[in-house]
Amino acid sequence: ELKVEQNPLFLSMQEGKNYTIYCNYSTTSDRLYWYRQDPGKSLESLFVLLSNGAVKQEGRLMASLDTKARLSTLHITAAVHDLSATYFCAVIYGGATNKLIFGTGTLLAVQP
Amino acid sequence: EAEVAQSPRYKITEKSQAVAFWCDPISGHATLYWYRQILGQGPELLVQFQDESVVDDSQLPKDRFSAERLKGVDSTLKIQPAELGDSAMYLCASSSSGLPYEQYFGPGTRLTVT
Repeated sequence: ELKVEQNPLFLSMQEGKNYTIYCNYSTTSDRLYWYRQDPGKSLESLFVLLSNGAVKQEGRLMASLDTKARLSTLHITAAVHDLSATYFCAVIYGGATNKLIFGTGTLLAVQP
Repeated sequence: EAEVAQSPRYKITEKSQAVAFWCDPISGHATLYWYRQILGQGPELLVQFQDESVVDDSQLPKDRFSAERLKGVDSTLKIQPAELGDSAMYLCASSSSGLPYEQYFGPGTRLTVT
């Protein structure tokens, strides 16, 4: 069974600083998704990574995928308070059913 | 921009009562998913439909939960009877049939069982 782990689970950082969230998964998959969730809200799609070596950037966030290491990273550059949210990675599992297995989530709090 | 619609947004019910949630996916999306998200955890898939057929309901507690998508468009998830442990956010998502199989989530229904 596929397991998806994120670390850290909680991240408190100051505005202007850089940091990386890590997402490890236990079995082979070539598709990985990053979502953002604000408190009490639904999930917003951030990135879709479809192949080994894929890198995508949007504003202060950059995501990458290493399928050989079964690792994805979400890098935050010069954090601002608006980035405070919970971030989830999710990995495709199950072949034809395209079942998403979500990670544990990382709660990011950006302090002024 | 097309969105996944869900109702109600909030539901409070007493244990042993029946409750139902409704989802309308993005037009043209053949695949529909129901997830349960317990506070502090990631979403967990309950059931997945391809058109009107169930393709994965391995995590659906079938003794009390049921789901249907009769015409392959909108869907209903029912719980009967509700238990205290069912308190959670219920999320519906949909995706098209081709790559990148990106799932678009609705606003969710927050269920509280008292």
